[in-house]
Amino acid sequence: EPEVTQTPSHQVTQMGQEVILRCVPISNHLYFYWYRQILGQKVEFLVSFYNNEISEKSEIFDDQFSVERPDGSNFTLKIRSTKLEDSAMYFCASSDYLRVRGNQPQHFGDGTRLSIL
Amino acid sequence: QKEVEQNSGPLSVPEGAIASLNCTYSDRGSQSFFWYRQYSGKSPELIMFIYSNGDKEDGRFTAQLNKASQYVSLLIRDSQPSDSATYLCAVNEGSGTASKLTFGTGTRLQVTL
Repeated sequence: EPEVTQTPSHQVTQMGQEVILRCVPISNHLYFYWYRQILGQKVEFLVSFYNNEISEKSEIFDDQFSVERPDGSNFTLKIRSTKLEDSAMYFCASSDYLRVRGNQPQHFGDGTRLSIL
Repeated sequence: QKEVEQNSGPLSVPEGAIASLNCTYSDRGSQSFFWYRQYSGKSPELIMFIYSNGDKEDGRFTAQLNKASQYVSLLIRDSQPSDSATYLCAVNEGSGTASKLTFGTGTRLQVTL
């Protein structure tokens, strides 16, 4: 079964450094998302992306964050200057074409554990 | 602030019993409802989705939706130890948009031998 692939599985970075988290969504999917989950907390939406532009972003997704689809397969999340509070699991998700009623399910990758020192 | 509420548990059921997991949501405009299973340290895995009032069955799982009461539930029949996980309820609004999922905190299910 097709799946969302994320790399790396674990990233350790010094505070203030830039990180890029990478995702390969399911190949025929059109809608891409990033979520994060701080240890012990709920999964939180960061950003959605469609047709090479951001569809929606949360208040977490400030100027330090950016997303890009640099080619036909990859979808990246960049954090420009990491803070201690950015330590979390980051999940990429993708979904298929939109239904007339309801939304297609979002399928999640295995996540990248980001640890900021 | 749109909220999705779940009892954090743990919900403990014996092997072979029915586990009943509940979720309420605040946004009346919500159109799509999802249940994800999350093992510790892993990513959310889609279990069920439901769009219309009533029941939807898939194997041992049944999702139930009552939009008037803003309530969605998941029943797991013949619970197995491998079902022990945290079950996340997720909701998104509208249709025809790439809208975000709003998650509850999850209910931890323990299936005992």
